[in-house]
Amino acid sequence: EIVLTQSPGTLSLSPGERATLSCRASQSVKKTFFFWYQQRPGQAPRPLIFEASNRISGIPDRFSGSGSGTDFTLTISRLEPEDFAVYYCHYHDRSATFGQGTKVEIK
Amino acid sequence: QAQLQESGPGQVKPSGTLALTCGVTGASISSSSWWTWVRQPPGKGLEWVGEAYHTGRVNYNPSFESRVTISVDKSKNQFFLKLTSVTAADTALYFCAKSLDKVLWSWGQGILVTVSS
Repeated sequence: EIVLTQSPGTLSLSPGERATLSCRASQSVKKTFFFWYQQRPGQAPRPLIFEASNRISGIPDRFSGSGSGTDFTLTISRLEPEDFAVYYCHYHDRSATFGQGTKVEIK
Repeated sequence: QAQLQESGPGQVKPSGTLALTCGVTGASISSSSWWTWVRQPPGKGLEWVGEAYHTGRVNYNPSFESRVTISVDKSKNQFFLKLTSVTAADTALYFCAKSLDKVLWSWGQGILVTVSS
């Protein structure tokens, strides 16, 4: 069973700064089945990235994903006020799992 | 754009069975989508419970394998979650979602289920 570990747990940044979020898998995984989601307070999650590096339609280009094997990264190039939220990595092969989340909060 | 809405009891007794329904509008339950349940304990992260296809195929989180059943009713355009032998650890916000190509595109607003006597 694959375990996803996200770091850091909380990222305190100011609007306009760059955010770098990490997700490490307990074993090598296929990029095809790797995703990132955003969850704002009081809302359901929404998809941001599929296949590790492809933006979902309508997601701003300040969001980018990269990585392969066991190490994946979500980068937000310049934080906007609406980007302060919790981000989850997600792997979905035959079964599925989420990382524990990284909260991006206003410094 | 599919819209999903969870319904069911907000409270279940320990050792009882949690049973939720997800009503789907704007999409056919018989389409090429998987119908998924995800839960979130209060103040905690997301946990994938499992998914079902309209043909009856299912995939479950191994952590729930012996307690969970996800099923689909094509005539009502609904799908269901049944979780048996619940404990306080099953208290969570339960989301239903539509998955296509493994992307969880559309989500319900979630329903809070509390396990308590």
